[in-house]
Amino acid sequence: EADIYQTPRYLVIGTGKKITLECSQTMGHDKMYWYQQDPGMELHLIHYSYGVNSTEKGDLSSESTVSRIRTEHFPLTLESARPSHTSQYLCASSEYRGQLGGGKLFFGSGTQLSVL
Amino acid sequence: RKEVEQDPGPFNVPEGATVAFNCTYSNSASQSFFWYRQDCRKEPKLLMSVYSSGNEDGRFTAQLNRASQYISLLIRDSKLSDSATYLCVVTTNNAGNMLTFGGGTRLMVKP
Repeated sequence: EADIYQTPRYLVIGTGKKITLECSQTMGHDKMYWYQQDPGMELHLIHYSYGVNSTEKGDLSSESTVSRIRTEHFPLTLESARPSHTSQYLCASSEYRGQLGGGKLFFGSGTQLSVL
Repeated sequence: RKEVEQDPGPFNVPEGATVAFNCTYSNSASQSFFWYRQDCRKEPKLLMSVYSSGNEDGRFTAQLNRASQYISLLIRDSKLSDSATYLCVVTTNNAGNMLTFGGGTRLMVKP
């Protein structure tokens, strides 16, 4: 089993609240990702990181922000949650293998966010 | 046009059937190819990598056709437990070697 953890598993909050979704991995992976996925729909990359102090925006525009102060920790923050943010958020990590790429992603169990 | 395209399905097959999915990719510079499996409301998990010469893992066979830019997944002797969404993943030789996921093909195996 992969050693990547997300908390909380489920979160129901009111509009306008600030929230942080936690993601931690103990595999020493350099690369980490955040994906957003609605039920029955495809994964959308919203943020990724190559390593400490590296953060990049993904393909899907998102109002969230991320930080990477430690290798093992990649939290995602929404400053002011809205109903349109309701979705499943999946964190993943992989080894960064440069030109060799790295297709083996380990995913956390996800956070199901509902904004009322 | 999406970079990685899959027929969303669903593919409804009886137990014991053989089923095959294709996935097409648009970037000829794509380097690495993978199949992931995602169960309903769960996270995706790596099923198998796809090698140029084709590879097999039990009832699962993956093949790559670089000339036509597609990969395939064949499942023999389908089990009820094979019911899931199968995601095609492609990495491209650009900065960071980003992975691109297809939209997934849903498989339903019926008794």
